[in-house]
Amino acid sequence: DVKVTQSSRYLVKRTGEKVFLECVQDMDHENMFWYRQDPGLGLRLIYFSYDVKMKEKGDIPEGYSVSREKKERFSLILESASTNQTSMYLCASSFKGPDNEQFFGPGTRLTVL
Amino acid sequence: KQEVTQIPAALSVPEGENLVLNCSFTDSAIYNLQWFRQDPGKGLTSLLLIQSSQREQTSGRLNASLDKSSGRSTLYIAASQPGDSATYLCAVSGNTPLVFGKGTRLSVIA
Repeated sequence: DVKVTQSSRYLVKRTGEKVFLECVQDMDHENMFWYRQDPGLGLRLIYFSYDVKMKEKGDIPEGYSVSREKKERFSLILESASTNQTSMYLCASSFKGPDNEQFFGPGTRLTVL
Repeated sequence: KQEVTQIPAALSVPEGENLVLNCSFTDSAIYNLQWFRQDPGKGLTSLLLIQSSQREQTSGRLNASLDKSSGRSTLYIAASQPGDSATYLCAVSGNTPLVFGKGTRLSVIA
Protein backbone atom coordinates (compact mmCIF):
# COMPACT_ATOMS: atom_id res chain seq x y z
CA ASP A 1 0.00 0.00 0.00
CA VAL A 2 1.07 3.53 -0.73
CA LYS A 3 1.97 5.44 2.37
CA VAL A 4 2.17 9.21 2.62
CA THR A 5 3.13 10.51 6.04
CA GLN A 6 3.15 14.01 7.44
CA SER A 7 5.40 15.06 10.30
CA SER A 8 2.67 16.32 12.64
CA ARG A 9 -1.10 15.86 12.99
CA TYR A 10 -1.49 19.04 15.01
CA LEU A 11 0.79 22.07 15.26
CA VAL A 12 0.44 25.36 17.13
CA LYS A 13 2.77 28.23 16.23
CA ARG A 14 3.00 31.93 16.93
CA THR A 15 2.74 34.75 14.40
CA GLY A 16 6.09 35.43 12.77
CA GLU A 17 7.58 32.00 13.43
CA LYS A 18 9.15 29.98 10.62
CA VAL A 19 7.21 26.75 10.19
CA PHE A 20 8.26 23.55 8.43
CA LEU A 21 5.72 20.93 7.36
CA GLU A 22 7.27 17.69 6.18
CA CYS A 23 5.80 15.07 3.88
CA VAL A 24 7.34 11.70 3.04
CA GLN A 25 6.09 9.06 0.59
CA ASP A 26 7.39 5.51 0.26
CA MET A 27 6.23 4.59 -3.27
CA ASP A 28 8.95 6.22 -5.36
CA HIS A 29 6.43 8.73 -6.74
CA GLU A 30 7.77 11.49 -8.94
CA ASN A 31 4.97 13.97 -8.25
CA MET A 32 4.27 15.57 -4.90
CA PHE A 33 1.73 18.23 -3.95
CA TRP A 34 0.82 20.53 -1.07
CA TYR A 35 -2.79 21.69 -0.55
CA ARG A 36 -4.58 23.64 2.10
CA GLN A 37 -8.21 23.00 2.99
CA ASP A 38 -10.51 25.60 4.51
CA PRO A 39 -14.26 25.50 5.21
CA GLY A 40 -16.23 26.89 2.30
CA LEU A 41 -13.14 27.15 0.08
CA GLY A 42 -12.33 23.48 -0.42
CA LEU A 43 -8.87 22.22 -1.32
CA ARG A 44 -6.51 24.68 -2.94
CA LEU A 45 -3.14 23.84 -4.44
CA ILE A 46 -0.18 25.69 -2.93
CA TYR A 47 2.86 24.17 -4.66
CA PHE A 48 3.75 21.00 -6.49
CA SER A 49 6.86 19.23 -7.71
CA TYR A 50 7.37 16.85 -10.62
CA ASP A 51 10.92 15.86 -9.70
CA VAL A 52 13.73 16.42 -7.25
CA LYS A 53 14.73 20.07 -7.00
CA MET A 54 11.78 21.09 -9.18
CA LYS A 55 8.85 23.16 -7.97
CA GLU A 56 5.85 24.81 -9.53
CA LYS A 57 3.48 27.37 -8.05
CA GLY A 58 -0.10 26.35 -7.55
CA ASP A 59 -3.10 28.59 -7.09
CA ILE A 60 -2.12 30.19 -3.77
CA PRO A 61 1.70 30.20 -3.33
CA GLU A 62 1.96 33.57 -1.57
CA GLY A 63 3.50 33.30 1.87
CA TYR A 64 4.83 29.78 1.24
CA SER A 65 7.91 28.14 -0.19
CA VAL A 66 8.86 24.50 -0.73
CA SER A 67 11.89 22.28 -0.83
CA ARG A 68 12.42 18.94 -2.58
CA GLU A 69 15.98 17.78 -2.00
CA LYS A 70 15.11 14.07 -2.09
CA LYS A 71 12.54 12.25 -4.18
CA GLU A 72 10.59 10.93 -1.21
CA ARG A 73 10.39 14.18 0.78
CA PHE A 74 8.56 17.44 0.04
CA SER A 75 8.66 20.22 2.60
CA LEU A 76 6.33 23.19 2.89
CA ILE A 77 7.80 26.27 4.56
CA LEU A 78 5.95 29.21 6.05
CA GLU A 79 8.68 31.85 6.24
CA SER A 80 6.78 34.06 8.70
CA ALA A 81 3.55 32.46 9.86
CA SER A 82 0.42 34.59 9.97
CA THR A 83 -3.02 33.93 11.46
CA ASN A 84 -4.57 33.62 8.00
CA GLN A 85 -2.39 30.56 7.45
CA THR A 86 -4.30 28.66 10.12
CA SER A 87 -5.64 25.73 8.12
CA MET A 88 -5.52 22.00 7.39
CA TYR A 89 -2.51 21.18 5.20
CA LEU A 90 -2.60 18.09 3.03
CA CYS A 91 0.24 16.47 1.15
CA ALA A 92 -0.25 14.10 -1.80
CA SER A 93 1.88 12.13 -4.24
CA SER A 94 1.48 10.27 -7.52
CA PHE A 95 3.48 8.67 -10.28
CA LYS A 96 4.73 10.80 -13.16
CA GLY A 97 2.15 12.14 -15.58
CA PRO A 98 -1.14 14.00 -15.13
CA ASP A 99 -3.37 10.93 -15.26
CA ASN A 100 -2.19 8.98 -12.25
CA GLU A 101 -4.01 8.48 -9.00
CA GLN A 102 -3.09 10.83 -6.17
CA PHE A 103 -2.60 9.48 -2.65
CA PHE A 104 -2.97 11.73 0.37
CA GLY A 105 -1.37 11.94 3.78
CA PRO A 106 -3.38 12.30 7.03
CA GLY A 107 -3.08 16.08 7.11
CA THR A 108 -1.58 18.62 9.54
CA ARG A 109 -3.92 20.94 11.39
CA LEU A 110 -1.89 24.14 11.85
CA THR A 111 -3.02 26.88 14.19
CA VAL A 112 -1.18 30.19 14.15
CA LEU A 113 -1.82 32.35 17.22
CA LYS B 1 -10.24 27.61 -16.00
CA GLN B 2 -11.62 24.27 -14.83
CA GLU B 3 -14.38 24.45 -12.23
CA VAL B 4 -15.83 21.49 -10.39
CA THR B 5 -19.22 21.61 -8.69
CA GLN B 6 -20.79 19.08 -6.34
CA ILE B 7 -24.48 19.13 -5.57
CA PRO B 8 -25.92 18.79 -2.99
CA ALA B 9 -23.50 20.20 -0.43
CA ALA B 10 -25.05 17.97 2.23
CA LEU B 11 -27.29 14.92 2.20
CA SER B 12 -28.94 12.91 4.95
CA VAL B 13 -30.45 9.48 4.22
CA PRO B 14 -31.75 6.53 6.24
CA GLU B 15 -29.62 3.41 6.44
CA GLY B 16 -30.13 0.96 3.58
CA GLU B 17 -31.02 3.56 0.97
CA ASN B 18 -29.27 3.67 -2.40
CA LEU B 19 -27.96 7.14 -3.20
CA VAL B 20 -26.28 9.16 -5.91
CA LEU B 21 -23.76 11.96 -5.50
CA ASN B 22 -23.22 14.34 -8.39
CA CYS B 23 -20.15 16.04 -9.77
CA SER B 24 -19.95 18.38 -12.76
CA PHE B 25 -16.98 20.04 -14.44
CA THR B 26 -16.74 22.83 -16.99
CA ASP B 27 -13.87 21.70 -19.22
CA SER B 28 -14.27 18.25 -20.78
CA ALA B 29 -10.55 18.01 -21.70
CA ILE B 30 -9.67 15.84 -18.71
CA TYR B 31 -7.33 12.88 -18.23
CA ASN B 32 -9.26 11.33 -15.38
CA LEU B 33 -11.71 11.90 -12.56
CA GLN B 34 -11.10 10.73 -9.03
CA TRP B 35 -13.57 10.27 -6.15
CA PHE B 36 -12.31 10.61 -2.58
CA ARG B 37 -13.72 10.11 0.88
CA GLN B 38 -12.76 12.33 3.81
CA ASP B 39 -13.62 11.66 7.44
CA PRO B 40 -13.70 14.66 9.81
CA GLY B 41 -10.22 15.97 10.57
CA LYS B 42 -8.54 13.35 8.39
CA GLY B 43 -6.84 13.14 5.02
CA LEU B 44 -8.43 12.00 1.77
CA THR B 45 -8.87 8.35 0.86
CA SER B 46 -9.04 7.53 -2.84
CA LEU B 47 -12.17 5.55 -3.71
CA LEU B 48 -12.27 5.30 -7.48
CA LEU B 49 -10.33 6.61 -10.45
CA ILE B 50 -11.97 6.78 -13.87
CA GLN B 51 -9.74 7.41 -16.86
CA SER B 52 -11.16 9.70 -19.55
CA SER B 53 -11.57 6.74 -21.92
CA GLN B 54 -13.68 4.81 -19.39
CA ARG B 55 -17.39 5.09 -18.65
CA GLU B 56 -17.47 3.63 -15.17
CA GLN B 57 -15.59 1.97 -12.33
CA THR B 58 -16.87 -0.24 -9.53
CA SER B 59 -15.53 -1.10 -6.11
CA GLY B 60 -17.76 -3.07 -3.78
CA ARG B 61 -20.93 -1.06 -3.13
CA LEU B 62 -19.56 1.94 -5.01
CA ASN B 63 -20.01 2.65 -8.70
CA ALA B 64 -18.74 5.78 -10.40
CA SER B 65 -19.72 6.82 -13.90
CA LEU B 66 -18.23 9.41 -16.20
CA ASP B 67 -19.83 11.28 -19.11
CA LYS B 68 -16.97 13.40 -20.33
CA SER B 69 -18.87 15.10 -23.13
CA SER B 70 -21.50 16.47 -20.76
CA GLY B 71 -19.01 17.17 -17.97
CA ARG B 72 -20.68 14.93 -15.39
CA SER B 73 -19.85 12.13 -13.02
CA THR B 74 -21.96 10.32 -10.47
CA LEU B 75 -21.00 8.22 -7.48
CA TYR B 76 -23.60 5.58 -6.68
CA ILE B 77 -23.57 4.05 -3.19
CA ALA B 78 -25.71 0.95 -2.76
CA ALA B 79 -27.31 -0.10 0.51
CA SER B 80 -25.86 2.79 2.50
CA GLN B 81 -24.54 2.20 6.04
CA PRO B 82 -23.79 4.56 8.94
CA GLY B 83 -20.08 3.91 8.29
CA ASP B 84 -20.49 5.60 4.90
CA SER B 85 -21.01 8.93 6.67
CA ALA B 86 -18.24 11.23 5.47
CA THR B 87 -17.54 13.98 2.96
CA TYR B 88 -17.15 12.81 -0.63
CA LEU B 89 -15.05 14.86 -3.02
CA CYS B 90 -14.53 14.58 -6.73
CA ALA B 91 -11.52 15.95 -8.56
CA VAL B 92 -10.53 16.15 -12.23
CA SER B 93 -7.09 16.05 -13.78
CA GLY B 94 -6.37 17.93 -16.98
CA ASN B 95 -3.55 20.16 -18.13
CA THR B 96 -3.23 21.34 -14.53
CA PRO B 97 -3.04 19.24 -11.36
CA LEU B 98 -6.23 18.02 -9.74
CA VAL B 99 -9.07 20.51 -9.40
CA PHE B 100 -11.44 19.64 -6.56
CA GLY B 101 -15.10 20.18 -5.90
CA LYS B 102 -16.11 21.34 -2.43
CA GLY B 103 -17.62 18.00 -1.56
CA THR B 104 -20.92 16.50 -0.46
CA ARG B 105 -21.27 15.81 3.26
CA LEU B 106 -23.20 12.56 3.64
CA SER B 107 -24.93 11.43 6.81
CA VAL B 108 -26.43 7.94 6.93
CA ILE B 109 -28.86 7.62 9.82
CA ALA B 110 -29.27 4.26 11.56
